[in-house]
Formats: sequence, C-alpha cells, structure tokens
Amino acid sequence: GDSVTQMEGPVTLSEEACLTINCTYTATGYPSLFWYVQYPGEGLQLLLKATKADDKGSNKGFEATYRKETTSFHLEKGSVQVSDSAVYFCALSDFFGGTSYGKLTFGQGTILTVHP
Amino acid sequence: DVKVTQSSRYLVKRTGEKVFLECVQDMDHENMFWYRQDPGLGLRLIYFSYDVKMKEKGDIPEGYSVSREKKERFSLILESASTNQTSMYLCASRRQGQSNQPQHFGDGTRLSIL
Repeated sequence: GDSVTQMEGPVTLSEEACLTINCTYTATGYPSLFWYVQYPGEGLQLLLKATKADDKGSNKGFEATYRKETTSFHLEKGSVQVSDSAVYFCALSDFFGGTSYGKLTFGQGTILTVHP
Repeated sequence: DVKVTQSSRYLVKRTGEKVFLECVQDMDHENMFWYRQDPGLGLRLIYFSYDVKMKEKGDIPEGYSVSREKKERFSLILESASTNQTSMYLCASRRQGQSNQPQHFGDGTRLSIL
C-alpha cells in the first residue's frame, strides 16, 4: 500500500538557518503530494501542494518539488523564523483513474523548533 | 474560509462509556474524515464518508463507528471506550474532486479515557 516516510526529528535550528525536511513516498498511480503544518494547540493547515512530476509548491517562504524519479517531496526554507516552530507532516492523496475520495496517507511528522 | 468545528477541545470519559465526538463543516463538502493522532505515528485514518449516509472504513476502524445523517455533520462513536483510545482526534472535510483538493481540519479533540 501507499506509504510516506519523513526524516526523523525533532529538528532544532537557530533563527535564519536553512531548513530541509526530507520526505519520500511509495504509491501506485499518480498521487498528489502535500505538506501540512500543525502549530501548537491547533489542527493541521495546508502549507503547500503539488499535483504532478516537477511541480513546485510554495507558500510562506517554504517550497517543495514533486520528484517522481526519486519519489521525494522535500520541504525547504531558506531562512526560518521562531514563528515557524511547529509539526510538519508530509502526505499523499489517493488517486484511482480519475476518482479520488481524497484519502491521505501521512508521514509520522517532524517537530521543528526554532530558537532566537 | 472553510470552517471545521469539533464540539469539544478536551474530553474526559470512563472505560466502558459510549463516547460521541461531533464534527461540523460549513462549506457543503462531500467528503469527511476522522483521524487519530498519536506521537511518532502521525495521523491514522479511522473512517471516512464520501457523501451523506455513505461511510468507508479507514486503516484503524476497530472499536469505532460513524454516522453521517446530514451533509455538514460527521460523528465518531466509541462504542465502549477503552484506555488505548486515549488520543487526539481530528476531523477533516474536503470538496469531492481531483486528488489535489486539500482536506481542511478542525482543531482537534483531546480525549482521555480513565
């Protein structure tokens, strides 16, 4: 079945450092890929998404590129802020020949802490 | 903006009780989902519903049931609560369509079973 593997956490960085959170996936067909973020005490929010190979999703300075050849969707940011401290989840969506109920398979999440 | 509202942020129940978790969305979405979130395990799908009165089991349905009598409301039921059901529960909704339609999440219910 489908699966998503994220890099082990937690990740601790100083403000303005570069961030990369690795995500690789296994899936049949052509899934869409997502990054969600969960701030303390809140539910998940969509951060960015990509639909097909070589698509780049971006939002709030974060970027991720859909790499079909390496089955990866790594999250990157050039300069993190304290306010980026959160849990980040990589996820893929099912796809069955044109019909999708939008079921998501999640990675285990990566805790990011950014210090001033 | 899409609003997904879960009825309780925190809930404490006793072993053996029947527990209801309620979720309401205001965007006329067809698809709704229930997940549980546990440290190190990410989110795991319990049940989902692709339309009114329609439901499908997710990856971990044992010990749970669901009800979707109206389009906007999706209820999760713990038939006889047990301590291993202590967890964070998240509800989500989504517009039916292509696989890149995102899910929209509520703030979660932290359930403790004593």
